[in-house]
Amino acid sequence: DAKTTQPNSMESNEEEPVHLPCNHSTISGTDYIHWYRQLPSQGPEYVIHGLTSNVNNRMASLAIAEDRKSSTLILHRATLRDAAVYYCILRDRNYGGSQGNLIFGKGTKLSVKP
Amino acid sequence: DTGVSQDPRHKITKRGQNVTFRCDPISEHNRLYWYRQTLGQGPEFLTYFQNEAQLEKSRLLSDRFSAERPKGSFSTLEIQRTEQGDSAMYLCASSLVFARGRAAGYGYTFGSGTRLTVV
Repeated sequence: DAKTTQPNSMESNEEEPVHLPCNHSTISGTDYIHWYRQLPSQGPEYVIHGLTSNVNNRMASLAIAEDRKSSTLILHRATLRDAAVYYCILRDRNYGGSQGNLIFGKGTKLSVKP
Repeated sequence: DTGVSQDPRHKITKRGQNVTFRCDPISEHNRLYWYRQTLGQGPEFLTYFQNEAQLEKSRLLSDRFSAERPKGSFSTLEIQRTEQGDSAMYLCASSLVFARGRAAGYGYTFGSGTRLTVV
């Protein structure tokens, strides 16, 4: 899997939008961009994923740059429950063979202030 | 289905003892993964199964570690002769992969983990 780069930490105020950046300059054409988050004392939780187009779901939005070398996870209105470590991960779309594993970096620790 | 269950949630053991953890995946998921996570780090991949077959093992999985998934349902991870360096959170995840390796769109579902402390 290709490498991603994320800031170590970010802070946000409650009820404000949060933009979590991720750089992936070596992304290949078949790599999906996945985001997971890990709340304290829990396992990681799937958030969203995309390939080329921006994606929205009930949890967040994913904005993907036109050249796909970077992406941004957008939390439209941060709550205290969004305080977590957010991981940006690239995975090849064809992972039927030996590519069975997500490779996690250190992620971005998001703090939300009331 | 209540998601991925891991048992126990916490385990304290003395160095040199053997420990075994259990993971019950989401019933319709055919892939099961084990990860290890130490403080301040992201989860590190250990191994994964497709149904009952163990398809990949990380270099992190030393000879003291063994994982099984009999009948393609629950899985166990055993650590023999535990060392203090084995202290970590052990996470299990499951997913559904269709033919030709295409995954269902919702990604992995992780359990809450088993926290191992070796004293």
